[in-house]
Amino acid sequence: QSVLTQPPSASGPPGQGVTISCSGSSSNIGTNAVSWYQQLPGTAPKLLIYDNSRRPSGVPDRFSGSKSGTSASLAISGLQSEDEADFFCAAWDDSLNGWVFGGGTKVTVL
Amino acid sequence: QVQLQQWGAGLLKPSETLSLTCAVYGGSFSDYYWSWIRQSPGEGLEWIGEIDHRGSPKYNPSLKNRVSISVDTSLNHFSLRLTSVTAADTAVYYCARKTWFLVRLDSWGQGTLVTVSA
Repeated sequence: QSVLTQPPSASGPPGQGVTISCSGSSSNIGTNAVSWYQQLPGTAPKLLIYDNSRRPSGVPDRFSGSKSGTSASLAISGLQSEDEADFFCAAWDDSLNGWVFGGGTKVTVL
Repeated sequence: QVQLQQWGAGLLKPSETLSLTCAVYGGSFSDYYWSWIRQSPGEGLEWIGEIDHRGSPKYNPSLKNRVSISVDTSLNHFSLRLTSVTAADTAVYYCARKTWFLVRLDSWGQGTLVTVSA
């Protein structure tokens, strides 16, 4: 059972958008920044969004993040076939004094 | 650009000790925290622990009495040991770099599948 709650799946046709939610608590998302990771099949996770909404260099601006209270969201616009992957949210948890993660959302491009 | 390359035994018997090492190539070793994370088959991610360049570790309480993380700054390596493994420890283990400012896991190793089976 993951500490952060994400929907198990999301989907949309090419060119459309999807939004993935991530729900936590006051000891993690409510206090600390959220980061998002993309995991393509058979590969290691890759940093997609950090500090709630910042993108590392090289990440397309089709990916955007936001946070409000104890929840965060990742939006993907203009879906492309290469976006099919698992997406995980993460935050530092002050009670655990460590990272907590969401269970992951599998994005399918229809 | 930093690269993390990890290695270690991939098949263990119950009660044995898991041992993995991660080498850091490029970038500063002392300006970051060095983490271990695992992913059980078909499951999400679980933080195991982290260490800084001075050798001060933090561990997930659920594993605390079995896990140790160490660092060798002369080689830019850090290592994970997990004792008394069971089938529940079967997972892909990742090493990762954590920034201390605008905290994030910004670089990951390629992952090592560790299977525990009699």
